[in-house]
Amino acid sequence: IAGITQAPTSQILAAGRRMTLRCTQDMRHNAMYWYRQDLGLGLRLIHYSNTAGTTGKGEVPDGYSVSRANTDDFPLTLASAVPSQTSVYFCASSDTQTGDTQYFGPGTRLTVL
Amino acid sequence: DQQVKQNSPSLSVQEGRISILNCDYTNSMFDYFLWYKKYPAEGPTFLISISSIKDKNEDGRFTVFLNKSAKHLSLHIVPSQPGDSAVYFCAASEDKLIFGTGTLLAVQP
Repeated sequence: IAGITQAPTSQILAAGRRMTLRCTQDMRHNAMYWYRQDLGLGLRLIHYSNTAGTTGKGEVPDGYSVSRANTDDFPLTLASAVPSQTSVYFCASSDTQTGDTQYFGPGTRLTVL
Repeated sequence: DQQVKQNSPSLSVQEGRISILNCDYTNSMFDYFLWYKKYPAEGPTFLISISSIKDKNEDGRFTVFLNKSAKHLSLHIVPSQPGDSAVYFCAASEDKLIFGTGTLLAVQP
């Protein structure tokens, strides 16, 4: 079934540890995105990639990094996790880069202790 | 500063009645608006959208209205069904999507 997969589904992490959240899409979409969802704050964009080989910063990029080595994969890395990064993380993709309809993965629930 | 606002965190409606979810925005350059629906433990799913050149778009039980002068967007669901119970996010786009904070809709049987 076409779509976006994310791994892991959930993770509990000690503060200071490094963590990579994985995201893969099979729709051959050019653009991909990482959001975090927090109660009362909605979905906030962390990083995005308009096409393979390029990345950009969103609204809340600090503490996160991304890479886009190919069209399908867009991993999000927390180099040294902090408790404020406890959140639900969603990966999304869209065919074009300019506000086109985005398709979301099922999310990763991350708890940093 | 929140560019896209959903001022009602929650809404409760009886089955069969109309649900109206509201969204306000501040950036007059937004040219495309969307509504997403989110069930617990799932990712948001696209519901309906509208371009800034229109004031209404309808898809089955779902209609989105856009009032550009008021910078206001609304989603009407009629008739509401228990399966519509979810969190609804509005989003606006000039370049990247900006999401509102969401409204939890509960449709009571």
